[in-house]
Amino acid sequence: EAGVTQFPSHSVIEKGQTVTLRCDPISGHDNLYWYRRVMGKEIKFLLHFVKESKQDESGMPNNRFLAERTGGTYSTLKVQPAELEDSGVYFCASSQGTLQETQYFGPGTRLLVL
Amino acid sequence: AQSVTQLGSHVSVSEGALVLLRCNYSSSVPPYLFWYVQYPNQGLQLLLKYTSAATLVKGINGFEAEFKKSETSFHLTKPSAHMSDAAEYFCAVSLNSGYALNFGKGTSLLVTP
Repeated sequence: EAGVTQFPSHSVIEKGQTVTLRCDPISGHDNLYWYRRVMGKEIKFLLHFVKESKQDESGMPNNRFLAERTGGTYSTLKVQPAELEDSGVYFCASSQGTLQETQYFGPGTRLLVL
Repeated sequence: AQSVTQLGSHVSVSEGALVLLRCNYSSSVPPYLFWYVQYPNQGLQLLLKYTSAATLVKGINGFEAEFKKSETSFHLTKPSAHMSDAAEYFCAVSLNSGYALNFGKGTSLLVTP
């Protein structure tokens, strides 16, 4: 069974540009999460989808970040326009249900904004 | 509010020695607790989780952790370190394991020959 996959693995962009990150969860997992780790800080929750609906987006830093999960399968996280402080590693995770279910993480996308 | 504190951003042990990685949490209600490991260039992998069943939880690769409510701790241990255990370890807490995880800052484990 394939795990959580993320694309791209690395992205280097200039301040003001747009970047779109993609996450493919494990097949059959209704729950999808985005997290971010800024260098030197802890991993922070961004948002949680249940199928195509946003269950919790309390961790989204500002309106430059837009997450979608059309059709309840893969998800995209777009940053527009990117700022220097957006640099970090963006992780995606998925789980089957919400109660006592393990979140399985992808390898992350390393974003560097210059 | 719930938070996690990992004492020691870097821990070094000799191969064969005991591994002890500390995690303390703060939560107003009984939490779910997790330990994840991240090997270089890989994603986070679940080592073990506490979900209000047995307080001593056994995980993969010989790791275990004990939930101590009185001490609000969930320390990770392994009796004998192996070179392959070198990685970054994260403690996380959730009020409900399906919801958002709150992570500690992580502890990098170095295993020396």
